[in-house]
Amino acid sequence: AQKITQTQPGMFVQEKEAVTLDCTYDTSDQSYGLFWYKQPSSGEMIFLIYQGSYDEQNATEGRYSLNFQKARKSANLVISASQLGDSAMYFCAMREGDNYGQNFVFGPGTRLSVLP
Amino acid sequence: DTEVTQTPKHLVMGMTNKKSLKCEQHMGHRAMYWYKQKAKKPPELMFVYSYEKLSINESVPSRFSPECPNSSLLNLHLHALQPEDSALYLCASSHPMGENYGYTFGSGTRLTVV
Repeated sequence: AQKITQTQPGMFVQEKEAVTLDCTYDTSDQSYGLFWYKQPSSGEMIFLIYQGSYDEQNATEGRYSLNFQKARKSANLVISASQLGDSAMYFCAMREGDNYGQNFVFGPGTRLSVLP
Repeated sequence: DTEVTQTPKHLVMGMTNKKSLKCEQHMGHRAMYWYKQKAKKPPELMFVYSYEKLSINESVPSRFSPECPNSSLLNLHLHALQPEDSALYLCASSHPMGENYGYTFGSGTRLTVV
């Protein structure tokens, strides 16, 4: 079974509007971490935001916020006030337990296109 | 220094060539990784080095040979590759466990095998 599901292969948003990218995950671990990365066409994977399984508050980093619903096992990324430079591939990822390597898994990604 | 530097950025090689990809970080991370990424797909884990020792090899063909000469450097030696090996090769580093920022990735090497 897939550990990370991103059901939106592609999304469009108008510049200056907010957009939500969906991510659901599957784990039996009590301790895990959820991450969002942005990958522009240049290829670099850019870390955006992190949410720990024990964090009670939703994570925020500038225009990025993570809507964490633990019981539903969802960790949606919200981008406020979209900019043209936000057009990229977005990956949700999960670290199970405290280790990386094989315990760090990526979802299939969502391609976001911001329209002027 | 909060970067992972990968060289070269682009590489075209023939199927009989030998080439190497290089990755360098000076963040004190003791885990380093090679990932392969095909177009429109997520990265796939290839190798993990933890404290300069190979800890994970995800059944990667022997034509890919990793090397970790020291805690800051990671190489990927390439020999007799196939056209289907053309991909973006990403290097990443992290603390081996527990740190909250996941991986720091390099910008990747776009490899084309002709």
